[in-house]
Amino acid sequence: GQNIDQPTEMTATEGAIVQINCTYQTSGFNGLFWYQQHAGEAPTFLSYNVLDGLEEKGRFSSFLSRSKGYSYLLLKELQMKDSASYLCAVRDSMHDKIIFGKGTRLHILP
Amino acid sequence: EAQVTQNPRYLITVTGKKLTVTCSQNMNHEYMSWYRQDPGLGLRQIYYSMNVEVTDKGDVPEGYKVSRKEKRNFPLILESPSPNQTSLYFCASSFEGGRAGKTQYFGPGTRLLVL
Repeated sequence: GQNIDQPTEMTATEGAIVQINCTYQTSGFNGLFWYQQHAGEAPTFLSYNVLDGLEEKGRFSSFLSRSKGYSYLLLKELQMKDSASYLCAVRDSMHDKIIFGKGTRLHILP
Repeated sequence: EAQVTQNPRYLITVTGKKLTVTCSQNMNHEYMSWYRQDPGLGLRQIYYSMNVEVTDKGDVPEGYKVSRKEKRNFPLILESPSPNQTSLYFCASSFEGGRAGKTQYFGPGTRLLVL
C-alpha cells in the first residue's frame, strides 16, 4: 500500500532547531516535497528532493534517503511565524498521484 | 501575477444540488489537481490531470467529476453533493519540466458546507 508517516505534533523554542521526520512507502517514487501550511491558508512550497542528500534553502533544509524511504525537514533559528503545519508529500512515479502525509503541527514557544 | 484562482471561496448548499467549483491557473502548467482537506485526514487527492483531455482518479474520486478542456481550467463538479463532501477544497497546478519542476502551486481554497 501507499503510506506516508510524520509526527502529528511537535513543540520547539524560538531560536532553536527542529527536525521533522517523514517516512514513506509508495509503489513508485518521483520526488518528495515539503509544504508549509498556516491555519486556514493554502499550502506553500518549501522544498523538493528527488535525489539522495541534503537540499539547503536559507533557514530550511530537507534531506532524502530513497533506500530508507525517509526524509526530514530541518528548520533553524526558529521564529514565531514558523508555527504552522508541515506537510510531507510524495509523487508516485507509477501513477503520477501525489500522496500527502497528515502533516506535523509545529508549535513555537517564546 | 502567477497564480491559481478558485471560485467560489465559500459555498453553502443543500444535498443533491449540483455545483461546480472552478479552478484556473495562468502559468501554463500541465499538471492540475484537486484535493480535499479534512481534520485528522490531511490532504487527499481527488482527481488530477496531466494535460488537456487527460484526467485520472486520485485517492478519493467518488462523488466528484472533473474536466480539462483547456489547459488553464480544471473545474470540479459535484453532481449530487452529500454532507460527507463538506470539506476544504484546494486546486493546485505544476509545471512538468525540469529538475525544479513538479512543484505544486495551490489556490486559496474553497470551503464547502453541504446541508
